[in-house]
Amino acid sequence: EAAVTQSPRNKVAVTGGKVTLSCNQTNNHNNMYWYRQDTGHGLRLIHYSYGAGSTEKGDIPDGYKASRPSQENFSLILELATPSQTSVYFCASGDADRGEQYFGPGTRLTVL
Amino acid sequence: GQQVQQSPSSLVLQEGENAELQCNFSSTATQLQWFYQSPGGSLVSLLSNPSGTKHTGRLTSTTVTKERRSSLHISSSQTTDSGTYLCAIEDTGYQNFYFGKGTSLTVIP
Repeated sequence: EAAVTQSPRNKVAVTGGKVTLSCNQTNNHNNMYWYRQDTGHGLRLIHYSYGAGSTEKGDIPDGYKASRPSQENFSLILELATPSQTSVYFCASGDADRGEQYFGPGTRLTVL
Repeated sequence: GQQVQQSPSSLVLQEGENAELQCNFSSTATQLQWFYQSPGGSLVSLLSNPSGTKHTGRLTSTTVTKERRSSLHISSSQTTDSGTYLCAIEDTGYQNFYFGKGTSLTVIP
């Protein structure tokens, strides 16, 4: 079974602060993804990566940076957090050949 | 990017009844995946079905690629099936997925 973990699971941050969300996968998948989920919008893609050292912008990248230092790790960075970034964030790893994604448990971020 | 529409937005069933969930998408897709999201929020892959018919347990998915639609049939629903069902489409050549807003299923005993 695919294994994707996220940390922290819950985070409260202050407006203007820096937030880093971490994701680790043990599936040896090349692709990794960051989504946010909000009521009324569903899951929206923020950034994704095809492998170590690569990051690509998704549909809503403004205000977010991503980093893929290794095959296993993919981070989402909010340099200057804003209340509008309050959301649940999901990381996923993807098997490109099979076209399947496996999700982490999510991180609930609240920006006050 | 892809537009993914799911219907119905919500569905209430008596335990034992069957459910039919629909997913329509706007342009050619190379991959299609159905997910279940529990009331607690966790996302679980149900099956991947870019074309044709696939079965797993009580689930049957049929995707007609040229008509840009897919369905998920849940037979003999159980209360533990309650949650949200999401359809995700991989945009051709981009390896990134677009999600529908989901169908919320409630199965009552």
